Amino acid sequence: AQKVTQAQTEISVVEKEDVTLDCVYETRDTTYYLFWYKQPPSGELVFLIRRNSFDEQNEISGRYSWNFQKSTSSFNFTITASQVVDSAVYFCALSEADGGSQGNLIFGKGTKLSVKP
Amino acid sequence: EAGVAQSPRYKIIEKRQSVAFWCNPISGHATLYWYQQILGQGPKLLIQFQNNGVVDDSQLPKDRFSAERLKGVDSTLKIQPAKLEDSAVYLCASSPKYQGEPAYEQYFGPGTRLTVT
Repeated sequence: AQKVTQAQTEISVVEKEDVTLDCVYETRDTTYYLFWYKQPPSGELVFLIRRNSFDEQNEISGRYSWNFQKSTSSFNFTITASQVVDSAVYFCALSEADGGSQGNLIFGKGTKLSVKP
Repeated sequence: EAGVAQSPRYKIIEKRQSVAFWCNPISGHATLYWYQQILGQGPKLLIQFQNNGVVDDSQLPKDRFSAERLKGVDSTLKIQPAKLEDSAVYLCASSPKYQGEPAYEQYFGPGTRLTVT
């Protein structure tokens, strides 16, 4: 069965600190997709990144970077030099490409990040 | 490009009453999803439409929840009768994904916060 675990419920950092949000997933499919979404206090989920199971290259986008490791079934997210505007709940999600429910997102419980000035 | 629109943003009803939520996806997006997000948890899929057909409604409590997407564009989710445990945010998302293609990112609306008293 597919599952996403975000073990960190809440993280609090001071501005300019680096922070890593952990995500561990479970799936029996060989083809799958991993996502990160940001949910600010306004409530709308904002798409950050999609990564497929065949691409293990790390990705960097500005202050954001993602580390995908199939060997440990992890897809961790690092924010460098955090800012107050990064305060939000971050969700990791899994989507399996095989089977009838293609594209459905299985979300973790989220990690609430608070960045203090 | 306009995002996913949802209304109302907030709704308070008493248990056993009925309620309906509306969603208008991003123009041209064939796939539409309804999610339920209970406080402190990640969103959980209720139903997925492709055009005006249901792809997956395995997690929809069909004794009280119903959804339709008659013309393959906007959609309505209804709860009748509501229970206290239905208090949650109901999120609508859309995606350009077609059946048989890899999973694309989903774009979420602002959600409807339902409180059942």
